Amino acid sequence: AQTVTQSQPEMSVQEAETVTLSCTYDTSESDYYLFWYKQPPSRQMILVIRQEAYKQQNATENRFSVNFQKAAKSFSLKISDSQLGDAAMYFCAYRSPGGATNKLIFGTGTLLAVQP
Amino acid sequence: DTEVTQTPKHLVMGMTNKKSLKCEQHMGHRAMYWYKQKAKKPPELMFVYSYEKLSINESVPSRFSPECPNSSLLNLHLHALQPEDSALYLCASSSRLLQGLNSPLHFGNGTRLTVT
Repeated sequence: AQTVTQSQPEMSVQEAETVTLSCTYDTSESDYYLFWYKQPPSRQMILVIRQEAYKQQNATENRFSVNFQKAAKSFSLKISDSQLGDAAMYFCAYRSPGGATNKLIFGTGTLLAVQP
Repeated sequence: DTEVTQTPKHLVMGMTNKKSLKCEQHMGHRAMYWYKQKAKKPPELMFVYSYEKLSINESVPSRFSPECPNSSLLNLHLHALQPEDSALYLCASSSRLLQGLNSPLHFGNGTRLTVT
């Protein structure tokens, strides 16, 4: 069974600085998808960025980028120029391709605080 | 604004009450999900509907009864709940169950349920 581990329960960053959130996963599959979701106090889970395992190029979305290391089964999220609105719980998630389910396997989350 | 709308935002109910949570999306998505989330924990999958048919039930107790009247609506009927069922209940949708990466889950803001 696949597992997702986020080893940093809490992180803090100064506004305008850069922070990296770590995520590792365990799987025997060669093809899969990885996601970072953000959950602010408003409670909505918001998709931040996604990565297909077969793509070597790291995904980027504006100030958000990932460092995807397939061999090491690592999928870290880098937030550049941190803003107060980035404060939230961040969940790393894994999904198998196809099949009869679109089930996401979530990590335990990292609570990010942004200091002004 | 969220494209997945959940009502009510908050619900307090006694253990003998019957209530329903509602979820609506108008993105043409054909897969809909119920997740349960405890404080500072990742969401846990409860049910998945694909094309209005129940495709996954994660061994959820029968006091939770899902219903998908049409492709835009998803209900969760609650009866005889326990205090430990108090949690945030999140609804999500995705374009198609058997598609690949380009069908990420879109989440609603959730219903905060308290069982007294």
